[in-house]
Amino acid sequence: EVQLVESGGGLVQPGGSLGLSCAASGFTFSSYAMSWVRQAPGKGLEWVSSITGSGAITYYADSVKGRFTSSRDNSKNRLYLQMNSLRAEDTAVYYCARFPTSIHTFDIWGQGTMVTVSS
Amino acid sequence: EIVLTQSPGTLSLSPGERATLSCRASQSVSSSYLAWYQQKPGQAPRLVIYGASTRATGIPDRFSGSGSGSGTDFTLTINRLEPEDFAVYYCQQCGSSPWTFGQGTKVEIK
Repeated sequence: EVQLVESGGGLVQPGGSLGLSCAASGFTFSSYAMSWVRQAPGKGLEWVSSITGSGAITYYADSVKGRFTSSRDNSKNRLYLQMNSLRAEDTAVYYCARFPTSIHTFDIWGQGTMVTVSS
Repeated sequence: EIVLTQSPGTLSLSPGERATLSCRASQSVSSSYLAWYQQKPGQAPRLVIYGASTRATGIPDRFSGSGSGSGTDFTLTINRLEPEDFAVYYCQQCGSSPWTFGQGTKVEIK
């Protein structure tokens, strides 16, 4: 079964850091680009970041550029999002999603992990 | 940035009726890069349509997608609404960075 499972969410103070992880299973992880998408409470979806299958190239939304870093370990089938200088507006559920470049869309999503930035 | 505007915001319909959801792009989007997702409360989004008109795996044929030749108007149609279809639907484009989502259309039971 193809599955993505996020972890690492929690409560962090403004200006703090947090690292998220996404464990992939059921497919050849290194063959797929991966992305992070977030959803603030009661709001819509916002693309955050993407990374190529090799991990060589990353892309970021302007709202997180310079503060967030995506990476991956293909030997462990894991995707990561390091979040620094967190702000209240970063509060959201963070989803990892698989992005097959053949169909240019997010076809598999994890269940999400909640990040709350508050003092 | 390509802005996707969905209408209506809320659609109140009865089971068995047809739902027609609109997604308008501020700039032309290749149909290859337009998708629709379904999200139910407390759940992750689920891919419904990709490439503007191709149903994702496991999606019933009462769901269909289309796009205009202009590349700015896209439609998701749900025929014969079933109870499990009531949810929020988002359109999304990845033809131009940053990839963007519409604000969503809620399909609710009338």
